[in-house]
Amino acid sequence: DAKTTQPPSMDCAEGRAANLPCNHSTISGNEYVYWYRQIHSQGPQYIIHGLKNNETNEMASLIITEDRKSSTLILPHATLRDTAVYYCIVRGRANDYKLSFGAGTTVTVRA
Amino acid sequence: DTEVTQTPKHLVMGMTNKKSLKCEQHMGHRAMYWYKQKAKKPPELMFVYSYEKLSINESVPSRFSPECPNSSLLNLHLHALQPEDSALYLCASSQVSSGRAAEQFFGPGTRLTVL
Repeated sequence: DAKTTQPPSMDCAEGRAANLPCNHSTISGNEYVYWYRQIHSQGPQYIIHGLKNNETNEMASLIITEDRKSSTLILPHATLRDTAVYYCIVRGRANDYKLSFGAGTTVTVRA
Repeated sequence: DTEVTQTPKHLVMGMTNKKSLKCEQHMGHRAMYWYKQKAKKPPELMFVYSYEKLSINESVPSRFSPECPNSSLLNLHLHALQPEDSALYLCASSQVSSGRAAEQFFGPGTRLTVL
């Protein structure tokens, strides 16, 4: 799987959009970008995934650049409950069960 | 039911004890996972079961013994652990997909302390 690079930490004001960047310059054509988050003392939680088109669900939006070398997770209206470590993960073929977590970005939402 | 449950939530054991961690899901998922997470580190994959058969063992020491008795249950048997094995043990499950890799659903974890 391609490696990812994320900033170690970022702050966000409550009610504002949080934009979390991720670089994955070695991503290959059949690899998807996944985002998970882990709130303190809980298990990781799936957020969203995408291949090349932008995606949106009830939790977040995922913007993938045209060359697919980077992506941005957008939390449209951050709340204090969004404070967590956010992991950007690139995964390949269907039988690739391995979810390789990097260091992630620690996001702190401040009131 | 969209939950993965794990018991116990906390476990303290001595190095000579034998204990087991349990994980259960009722989402019909046929892939189940054990991860280990040390403090301030990301989770690391230990084992994967697919259709109740062990498909991945990430070179985990034999003092950790996984078991998948049926499609809903996953156990992790612990014996002769070391203090450095103290960690959060996470269970996850997913569909077995023929297309893209399926998203994994995680339980809350068991916080293990080895004395």
